[in-house]
Amino acid sequence: DADVTQTPRNRITKTGKRIMLECSQTKGHDRMYWYRQDPGLGLRLIYYSFDVKDINKGEISDGYSVSRQAQAKFSLSLESAIPNQTALYFCATSAKSADSSYEQYFGPGTRLTVT
Amino acid sequence: GQNIDQPTEMTATEGAIVQINCTYQTSGFNGLFWYQQHAGEAPTFLSYNVLDGLEEKGRFSSFLSRSKGYSYLLLKELQMKDSASYLCAVKDSNYQLIWGAGTKLIIKP
Repeated sequence: DADVTQTPRNRITKTGKRIMLECSQTKGHDRMYWYRQDPGLGLRLIYYSFDVKDINKGEISDGYSVSRQAQAKFSLSLESAIPNQTALYFCATSAKSADSSYEQYFGPGTRLTVT
Repeated sequence: GQNIDQPTEMTATEGAIVQINCTYQTSGFNGLFWYQQHAGEAPTFLSYNVLDGLEEKGRFSSFLSRSKGYSYLLLKELQMKDSASYLCAVKDSNYQLIWGAGTKLIIKP
């Protein structure tokens, strides 16, 4: 199922570099999210967007920025990467479902290592 | 603060039944999700509970008690492919998902 895609899938970068992670979806969903996942911790929300003109900070937005270029595209940037941003990053999408759950569909993830 | 608690790891035998518990303390409640995540892969949706009671979906069932801040995921007729992490998430008063750290389920033959 390639409805939500992320590029790159793996990236190694150095401290201080700017890096962009990209997410695209063909599900036609209006809501998009960026999470990071660290071992032993739950998924943590970085930013979310309910439509192209609506972008909101999540629990851990410091050090990150986002851009919603179109309904189908949501990019995450690390302006100056630092080692504690090493993590697995997931993009997710959602839309109103029959039971109003707004269940989220996840991309395959980007494994980012900052050295 | 907001908190979701799940056991870190559980072990069960192929063909058996296992129950994974989740307790939560959140600012408001607007539904609870269970997701399955195989190692190195994306989480995939399993179930959603917003009212008290049991929801059954094939081999998987999920139960919710809002008064107790408690849910469980019940997996029957365990198969080796069920080896994965199971994530509990609660939708809070701002309709944001608060995630537990997940329960790693190991299935032994």
